[in-house]
Amino acid sequence: DIQMTQSPSSLSASVGDRVTITCRASQGISNYLAWFQQKPGKAPKSLIYAASSLQSGVPSKFSGSGSGTDFTLTISSLQPEDFATYYCQQYNSYPHTFGQGTKLEIK
Amino acid sequence: EVQLVESGGGLVQPGRSLRLSCAASGFTFDNYAMHWVRRAPGKGLEWVSGISWNSGGIGYADSVKGRFTISRDNAKNSLYLQMDSLRAEDTALYYCAKADCSGASCYSVYWGQGTLVTVSS
Repeated sequence: DIQMTQSPSSLSASVGDRVTITCRASQGISNYLAWFQQKPGKAPKSLIYAASSLQSGVPSKFSGSGSGTDFTLTISSLQPEDFATYYCQQYNSYPHTFGQGTKLEIK
Repeated sequence: EVQLVESGGGLVQPGRSLRLSCAASGFTFDNYAMHWVRRAPGKGLEWVSGISWNSGGIGYADSVKGRFTISRDNAKNSLYLQMDSLRAEDTALYYCAKADCSGASCYSVYWGQGTLVTVSS
């Protein structure tokens, strides 16, 4: 099975900051990598697919990059509504494993 | 509008069974793969199982393989998860999710609100 290692596990930042979250796959997954946002009490929301494609309706402040084993999610100009938990997931092959999540908190 | 409504959760004793259902609407159900994903209390998301549009491709997480069975009824626009030999560690909120395409290498685009499964004596 492919393991996904996400870092950091938590991150404190201020409104207006730019942050980057990284995700590493235990083996190459091409660009079969998605990023999700989850807020307390809510269902996950798709942000990025195919490593760098923005899901329809998601603001361009979210961007993804990478291919193979190393990937990043960058969020620019943080706003209060961006503080949430973020997950990467590989969907190259079953099982579709998630990273352990990054909790983004207000500093 | 895509709608996914999960049902069938509840309190069940260890070792017993439960069947989750997901009613889908707002899209052509038999064109898309579907997934089950769960989130245990205080933990992150865990992918549980996925099924292709025609049930020809199915996958499971190692933690549920041999105990859970995913299925779908395209005539009823419904997805199911049969959960047998339940354990305390299966306690979680279970989400149904619609994939962006029909096969195995498809990601989850839309999610339901989840159904809670609690395994306890």
